[in-house]
This record gives sequence, C-alpha cells and structure tokens, in this order.
Amino acid sequence: QQQVKQSPQSLIVQKGGISIINCAYENTAFDYFPWYQQFPGKGPALLIAIRPDVSEKKEGRFTISFNKSAKQFSLHIMDSQPGDSATYFCAASSRDNYGQNFVFGPGTRLSVLP
Amino acid sequence: NAGVTQTPKFQVLKTGQSMTLQCAQDMNHNSMYWYRQDPGMGLRLIYYSASEGTTDKGEVPNGYNVSRLNKREFSLRLESAAPSQTSVYFCASTRGQGSTEAFFGQGTRLTVV
Repeated sequence: QQQVKQSPQSLIVQKGGISIINCAYENTAFDYFPWYQQFPGKGPALLIAIRPDVSEKKEGRFTISFNKSAKQFSLHIMDSQPGDSATYFCAASSRDNYGQNFVFGPGTRLSVLP
Repeated sequence: NAGVTQTPKFQVLKTGQSMTLQCAQDMNHNSMYWYRQDPGMGLRLIYYSASEGTTDKGEVPNGYNVSRLNKREFSLRLESAAPSQTSVYFCASTRGQGSTEAFFGQGTRLTVV
C-alpha cells in the first residue's frame, strides 16, 4: 500500500508552543522520510528528513521522531514562531526509486498566533 | 540561482482547450517530475522522467502528456482540458537515482471553466 496518512489537517498554536504533526505509512519498503514546508504561493521545500536506522533527528527547532515498529513518524516544532505558519507535508520513498516515487501525505496547515 | 522555473504562473482555460505547461531547471538534474496539488490530497505524481529520453506514468496520468525536450526542460500538455484538471501544478527535479531531495518550482495555478 502506497498511502501516507497525515494528521491533523490543520493546527493552531500559540507563539512559543510546540507544534506536532503525525504521519503513518503502510509500505515497509519505504526507507526515506522527508518533511516539506510550503508557504502560500510557493513550491514545497525540504525541511528535514530521516532514515529508519535512527529514531530521532533534530535540526534547530525541528525534530523528527520515527517509530519503525508502529510505522509512524512525526514532526515536532519547538518554540513555534509566526514565521513557521505554512503547510507541512510528510512523504516517503523507497530505496529502489529514490527521488522517483515520493508518496506525499495530504498536508497540515499550521497557523502560529503571535 | 533560478532552480526550477515554471511558466505560466496562472492560466484560465475553457473546457476542451489545450495548453502546455513549461518547466526548466538549471541544476543539471537528471530526473524531473510533474505533480498536481489539490486541497486535502497532497501532491500526486502525474508523470516523471528519470533521465533525458525517458518518461513514465505516475499515479494520475490520464488526460496528460509529457515531453522531456532535453536535460533541462520537461513540459506537461493538456490536450483537451476538463474542469477536473483545475489544480495547482508543480514541476520538480532531483539529481537522479540515489538522490533524495526534490526541488520544486513555484507552481502553475490552472483553472478550467
């Protein structure tokens, strides 16, 4: 199954709070899990990514947590800022066709209130 | 650095009209992709080109054709536009097999009336 599920559909967080977006997949062949950030009127841009050999990856205020047994991964945004307001997409791809078959989640619209 | 450039940015078509969406990348990438983005459905792959001279269908290819004109350019053609093709279209590129980061253009917002 190629589907990637993502929740919530939308999220409102106060400035300084923690934003958490969750994704789940079914295809155990997936072994690369990126998160893309998209601002209105722009194309998506890579934010952070993880491979399943680690359970967590942190880059600044952004952290991916990965649970291989549950086939779930999540994005945590610490100290959320109004500038983080955007749509976030999780995605997955497999080693056989890196860069050729990303499966994207439906997206989460994040609004960070000042 | 231009990256991935799409033209036009906006387009309104009447049902049955045809048009071509243009995409060019200046990063010497081997692979290029066309996605459509619809509310609540994420990005769905229409067609991709793993390398110059090859094209393959993605998840939603019906009603579309593509041409990999050269290594830089990958166009998407709607032969007879339908209202169901109203969407935002994104072109993307990657270095190729083994690469993991996709670079996206700014999108083309297409409305079919």
